[in-house]
Amino acid sequence: GAVVSQHPSWVICKSGTSVKIECRSLDFQATTMFWYRQFPKQSLMLMATSNEGSKATYEQGVEKDKFLINHASLTLSTLTVTSAHPEDSSFYICSAHLAGITYEQYFGPGTRLTVT
Amino acid sequence: GDSVTQMEGPVTLSEEAFLTINCTYTATGYPSLFWYVQYPGEGLQLLLKATKADDKGSNKGFEATYRKETTSFHLEKGSVQVSDSAVYFCALSVPNNNDMRFGAGTRLTVKP
Repeated sequence: GAVVSQHPSWVICKSGTSVKIECRSLDFQATTMFWYRQFPKQSLMLMATSNEGSKATYEQGVEKDKFLINHASLTLSTLTVTSAHPEDSSFYICSAHLAGITYEQYFGPGTRLTVT
Repeated sequence: GDSVTQMEGPVTLSEEAFLTINCTYTATGYPSLFWYVQYPGEGLQLLLKATKADDKGSNKGFEATYRKETTSFHLEKGSVQVSDSAVYFCALSVPNNNDMRFGAGTRLTVKP
């Protein structure tokens, strides 16, 4: 149980376009999901916390107008990278925790974004 | 603030060697501690966890004991395999805080 999926697993887009990444909890409801960014050979950096039915909470230094997060249901959160640039190329990972069990997160397989 | 410091890699071992990856933490509350493993091109997989002092997490031959007195959660395996080659992340979370803090990651390469 507690499986998190992401779609797509990898995407290539041109500069200036937008790309949407989906994060789904497959067998549980997730009131809170998290979006991380990972640069090559580096650790995960928390970008934002996504709360179902409310606005996301962004970490300091993350542009909320560039990284749009929507958590429309208890099983789906989306991250849209708007007007993508090559420096946005990265590995994006989402996670979620079971309602009431906030100390443990379940991670999706990640989405590799390449902006050309 | 809460943070995790883990041994920098890369670590290269021969098959069947003993593995230790050190991890220490700083936390204001009573954190839960985790080890995650990331294989090339994949997301993070939970390897083991411990939620209170003196707990030992274990999985696939890996072990780590939550040591409150030394604020440590070192990862060990008695005999590594080539298939254990991956990046290992130590992490902590503080209940009711939603935050999860990761160490920098340690890349392990096991050679046959």
